[in-house]
Amino acid sequence: AQKVTQAQTEISVVEKEDVTLDCVYETRDTTYYLFWYKQPPSGELVFLIRRNSFDEQNEISGRYSWNFQKSTSSFNFTITASQVVDSAVYFCALVRGSTLGRLYFGRGTQLTVWP
Amino acid sequence: DADVTQTPRNRITKTGKRIMLECSQTKGHDRMYWYRQDPGLGLQLIYYSFDVKDINKGEISDGYSVSRQAQAKFSLSLESAIPNQTALYFCATSDPRDSTDTQYFGPGTRLTVL
Repeated sequence: AQKVTQAQTEISVVEKEDVTLDCVYETRDTTYYLFWYKQPPSGELVFLIRRNSFDEQNEISGRYSWNFQKSTSSFNFTITASQVVDSAVYFCALVRGSTLGRLYFGRGTQLTVWP
Repeated sequence: DADVTQTPRNRITKTGKRIMLECSQTKGHDRMYWYRQDPGLGLQLIYYSFDVKDINKGEISDGYSVSRQAQAKFSLSLESAIPNQTALYFCATSDPRDSTDTQYFGPGTRLTVL
């Protein structure tokens, strides 16, 4: 079965702290895609990043970075020097290569950044 | 203008009423999806459509039906709404030419069934 686990339900940090959101996935497919979405308090879902199973290269985009490790089935997300505007629910998700269209979501991590 | 729009954005209805949620997109994507979000549960797939003639059930299709009127329009209906269908509903689209099948979401419809 496909499964995405975000063990951290809620995280609180103070502005300028670094924070890492964990994501562990489970699939038997050798081809799959991993995603992170952000849901700010306004409610919309914003696509942040995707990774395919053959590309373990880490990625940095401004204050955001992603660490994909197949050996531990993890796709963690780090925000450096957090800001109040980063406060949101963050979802990790998985698509299997064999069943494109079925996006499996984790339950999300509520991040609160205090000024 | 937003690429994926949902109407209405908020709706309060009563148990037993029929209600339709609509989704339109200007992204030119063939694939469209309906999800519901309940607090603390992430998003669950209700129905999805890979083209106008293709409709598939997702994880939680009971109590829902859909209609794909055109490439750009995908509607979700609750034939007889019940209180546990109170949730945030999202429409999404993706492009089959995109091998990663990245889905892009609408702004959501908050539905309350009394």
